[in-house]
Amino acid sequence: DTEVTQTPKHLVMGMTNKKSLKCEQHMGHRAMYWYKQKAKKPPELMFVYSYEKLSINESVPSRFSPECPNSSLLNLHLHALQPEDSALYLCASSQGAAGGRETQYFGPGTRLLVL
Amino acid sequence: GNSVTQMEGPVTLSEEAFLTINCTYTATGYPSLFWYVQYPGEGLQLLLKATKADDKGSNKGFEATYRKETTSFHLEKGSVQVSDSAVYFCALSPTYSGSARQLTFGSGTQLTVLP
Repeated sequence: DTEVTQTPKHLVMGMTNKKSLKCEQHMGHRAMYWYKQKAKKPPELMFVYSYEKLSINESVPSRFSPECPNSSLLNLHLHALQPEDSALYLCASSQGAAGGRETQYFGPGTRLLVL
Repeated sequence: GNSVTQMEGPVTLSEEAFLTINCTYTATGYPSLFWYVQYPGEGLQLLLKATKADDKGSNKGFEATYRKETTSFHLEKGSVQVSDSAVYFCALSPTYSGSARQLTFGSGTQLTVLP
């Protein structure tokens, strides 16, 4: 099974709201990722967690706050977003093995609209 | 650094036509290479992959061969269907170095297949 699940599928929020995106995988993977994707563009990496520790933060604004409660779950907390943050947010996971060259498996994404 | 150059789109074909989407890469070491497909309104799905030189990845009638001498990983399908209409992303996963654990994506190619 190579499934990554994400909830919710769609989210509409105002600029003063606080919301969270959730991601889950049961493949025993130890690396998890958040990406942001604008229409017809490749995904842009936001955060990488490796063995539940934040290993990469691609200079993402502090209104995005990731959390990795355990090896299967990844959250993205959203606060005071801007309309330009509207996008498809994708979660992915990979084995996390030394040596790299890994396959990342993506979830279906959360389509976020900020009003 | 690593980079992936992908054939510009959009590409429009008639059903049963032959498809080629070109992909070349720049990377140190021996990366793994991938094709991901994104159907309208969905996340990225792994279409096929290859992990070493001369490997051929294949799935759903699509094929791509890892050519180290030309640093290429071109996607081909002998007879496309309307259901193949999607955006296709070529990507590489580098040899792990330090905290780097990132996929490098090409710009994506929009394929439309007409009946």
